[in-house]
Amino acid sequence: DQQVKQNSPSLSVQEGRISILNCDYTNSMFDYFLWYKKYPAEGPTFLISISSIKDKNEDGRFTVFLNKSAKHLSLHIVPSQPGDSAVYFCAATHNDYKLSFGAGTTVTVRA
Amino acid sequence: ETGVTQSPTHLIKTRGQQVTLRCSSQSGHNTVSWYQQALGQGPQFIFQYYREEENGRGNFPPRFSGLQFPNYSSELNVNALELDDSALYLCASSLEAQETQYFGPGTRLLVL
Repeated sequence: DQQVKQNSPSLSVQEGRISILNCDYTNSMFDYFLWYKKYPAEGPTFLISISSIKDKNEDGRFTVFLNKSAKHLSLHIVPSQPGDSAVYFCAATHNDYKLSFGAGTTVTVRA
Repeated sequence: ETGVTQSPTHLIKTRGQQVTLRCSSQSGHNTVSWYQQALGQGPQFIFQYYREEENGRGNFPPRFSGLQFPNYSSELNVNALELDDSALYLCASSLEAQETQYFGPGTRLLVL
């Protein structure tokens, strides 16, 4: 039962432009959401998170938006840089132990 | 501050064997979670250990077991290995009652 879905397996964007990654969830109990970035042969690296009491959280070039009524969140990266090329995972939780992950979106930033 | 470390980095086993994977949590973290990531999928939660006790378990059979030591390092044991157990095994640590989990580099297991 896939409770977190990332429907776009890949995204290609030009350097300097905005990358928008989307994530949908089905479990209304989820109250904390996270984005991780993963390079090949490395573990996921925490990027940014958002609590369900907020609808936006910003950290430098990364902004996460949460739409609870639509059960949808998105990650915006502005401007995109070559080092942003990686796999991005959306994750969600409603307690402090289990993270439910999406299948990931591979981002390629073109020079 | 030392991050999460895992050993070994790669491992090849044959079907029916047993394997033990190891994880050292980030300094100051007392909670360790284990995930299995199959090719092309997101990580799937196996279980979590908090202060040496299992604190939650995902949909994995009993042949997946774990342990946490007083220094909060952890082991994942898998008995009677099956071909489908081939995956990247990720360990993550977190502070008490914190949702943010910090991952290690993983152990790549291949079962032949």
